[in-house]
Amino acid sequence: DTEVTQTPKHLVMGMTNKKSLKCEQHMGHRAMYWYKQKAKKPPELMFVYSYEKLSINESVPSRFSPECPNSSLLNLHLHALQPEDSALYLCASSQGGRVGGYTFGSGTRLTVV
Amino acid sequence: SQELEQSPQSLIVQEGKNLTINCTSSKTLYGLYWYKQKYGEGLIFLMMLQKGGEEKSHEKITAKLDEKKQQSSLHITASQPSHAGIYLCGAATLSKLTFGTGTRLQVTL
Repeated sequence: DTEVTQTPKHLVMGMTNKKSLKCEQHMGHRAMYWYKQKAKKPPELMFVYSYEKLSINESVPSRFSPECPNSSLLNLHLHALQPEDSALYLCASSQGGRVGGYTFGSGTRLTVV
Repeated sequence: SQELEQSPQSLIVQEGKNLTINCTSSKTLYGLYWYKQKYGEGLIFLMMLQKGGEEKSHEKITAKLDEKKQQSSLHITASQPSHAGIYLCGAATLSKLTFGTGTRLQVTL
C-alpha cells in the first residue's frame, strides 16, 4: 500500500461545530504532516509528527488540535473555526530526512460557514 | 528560513510545444522535489533530485538540479492537455518540506 488516505473528502461545518479530519498510511513511514492550502497558494506546513510525537507546530491557532494515536494514523481536530480557515487540508507522510520521500493524500476540502 | 521562487507564475502553451519551469532557492538545496497538482486535489509526486548536476526523466518530463544546488528546472517536451495543472517545487530539510510559489500551466489545443 503506497497511499495516504484522507477522510472526509469534503466537509462543511459551522463556526460552533467540532469535527475531525483523518489521515492514514500503511507504508511504515515514521513522520506525518498536516498542510493547509488556500486557493492559488502553495501548501503551508501546520504540524509535523515524528515517531508519534509532535515535533513541529508552525504557530497554528489552538482551534486546530492534532493527534497521532499510532504510527499509521493522524487526526486533526477542529473546533470554533472561522470562515478564513476554509481551505484544502493535506496530509503527508515520509520516511523522514531530506530524501525520505513525501507522499500526499488527496486532501479534505473544508468550508466553514 | 528557506524560500523558493518559481517562474513563471503561469504559463499558457499550445499543445505540442516545449516548456520550462524554474525553481530558485535562497539556500542550498539538499533534496528538491517536484509535484503536480490538479485544482483542489492532492499532490502527485514527479521527481526528487539531490545531487548537483543531477538530471531525471519520466515520460516527457525532465528535471535538473544545477551544480551549485540552488536552482532546479522542469522541462516538458511536446506538451499535452494532460500536463495541465499546478507544478510545485519543494525543498526538504531534515524535518519538513517547504514549497515554492507554484506555476500554473494551461495547455491549449
